[in-house]
Amino acid sequence: EVQLVESGGGLVKPGGSLRLSCVASGFAFSDYTMFWVRQAPGKGLEWVSCISSSSSYSYNADSVKGRFIISRDNAKNSLYLQMNSLRAEDTAVYYCARPTTFSPYSGSDYWGQGTLVTVSS
Amino acid sequence: EIVMTQSPVTLSVSPGERATLSCRASQSISTNLAWYQQKPGQPPRLLFYGASTRATGIPARFSGSGSGTEFTLTISSLQSEDFAVYYCQQYKSWLFTVGQGTRLEIK
Repeated sequence: EVQLVESGGGLVKPGGSLRLSCVASGFAFSDYTMFWVRQAPGKGLEWVSCISSSSSYSYNADSVKGRFIISRDNAKNSLYLQMNSLRAEDTAVYYCARPTTFSPYSGSDYWGQGTLVTVSS
Repeated sequence: EIVMTQSPVTLSVSPGERATLSCRASQSISTNLAWYQQKPGQPPRLLFYGASTRATGIPARFSGSGSGTEFTLTISSLQSEDFAVYYCQQYKSWLFTVGQGTRLEIK
């Protein structure tokens, strides 16, 4: 059974940092591009970051560019999101997600349950 | 950035009736489109990718169509469990973008 389990969320002050983790199981993690997707309270979905299977490339949304860093450790079946210089508008549930195929250019069929990040003083 | 626009924002339909949800892209995305269903407190659930390829376990009452800039999600006979928020997402090019959602509510 495919599982994605996020952790690391919590309450942080503006300007602070947080590192999210996502542990994958039930599939060949090292074969798949992976995403971080967030959802602000009562709002829609926003694809934040993408990283290729071998970490050869990564992309970030403009809203987080220069502040968030996506990484992975295939030996640990783990995906990470280092979030720096956090702002109130970064408050959201953060999901890790996997596309249906090895390529990132598909829908995402597996999602974690999400971890809540709250940025507030 | 490709802008995705969904309509209507809210759709009120009676159980057993048909629901038609629309999604428009600001430029052609071929069939690089996914549809998701989301219920409160849950992650999104993939319904379709490739605009019309049903994801695993999705009932046949759901259908997806369209290409280019115009897409449609149809639910032929609404069941109680179908009332939720629906999102369309383009993945033709990064930045992947999502419509604002259509809330399907019980009439």
